[in-house]
Amino acid sequence: GAGVSQTPSNKVTEKGKYVELRCDPISGHTALYWYRQSLGQGPEFLIYFQGTGAADDSGLPNDRFFAVRPEGSVSTLKIQRTERGDSAVYLCASSSSGRTGSGANVLTFGAGSRLTVL
Amino acid sequence: AQKVTQAQTEISVVEKEDVTLDCVYETRDTTYYLFWYKQPPSGELVFLIRRNSFDEQNEISGRYSWNFQKSTSSFNFTITASQVVDSAVYFCALSEALTGRRALTFGSGTRLQVQP
Repeated sequence: GAGVSQTPSNKVTEKGKYVELRCDPISGHTALYWYRQSLGQGPEFLIYFQGTGAADDSGLPNDRFFAVRPEGSVSTLKIQRTERGDSAVYLCASSSSGRTGSGANVLTFGAGSRLTVL
Repeated sequence: AQKVTQAQTEISVVEKEDVTLDCVYETRDTTYYLFWYKQPPSGELVFLIRRNSFDEQNEISGRYSWNFQKSTSSFNFTITASQVVDSAVYFCALSEALTGRRALTFGSGTRLQVQP
């Protein structure tokens, strides 16, 4: 697609429920990132995919968080047993390049999925 | 560990004033990239600039200019003749250039309000 698409744009859920957030990156972008942004803060890294594999998942806060990208395109961030502290905007970004070059690490972000846990 | 500090939480200026947003970073890497992103009220982060650590030349793009000083670990952003449409939150970010960890580390952002 023309840009990074994230669904849903808004999700309200109850504490303890399971949530899935979807990201459709720019067509052809091999790198995909998930970030979390709390109110008044900068985006915080969660996980990075290169193709189908998670190249860096060091930002996932605990084992309730999991992400997949089975075909190297669309990715789903899954949160189990949601807690009120999980409330935030979850941002997805994609990038076309490898490690160096003019596009290196230039991320294009989606509009985010706002998650509210009651 | 990498760290980006944006000490200015919020700045308010009147239209046509010049404004500088400060960014100070910490990294042990010798090769890295620095970025600025804009987050308007709509929420979507917009890429503004990427700077390689080997390139200390200042850059100008229209009303925007960036001053990279490796000696002070700073990468400041100046908007000349600010406009109401410049109102947004601006984020400075840092990433490694050559190692496997490619995630951006963001600062906490500076909210810029440009009053008409």
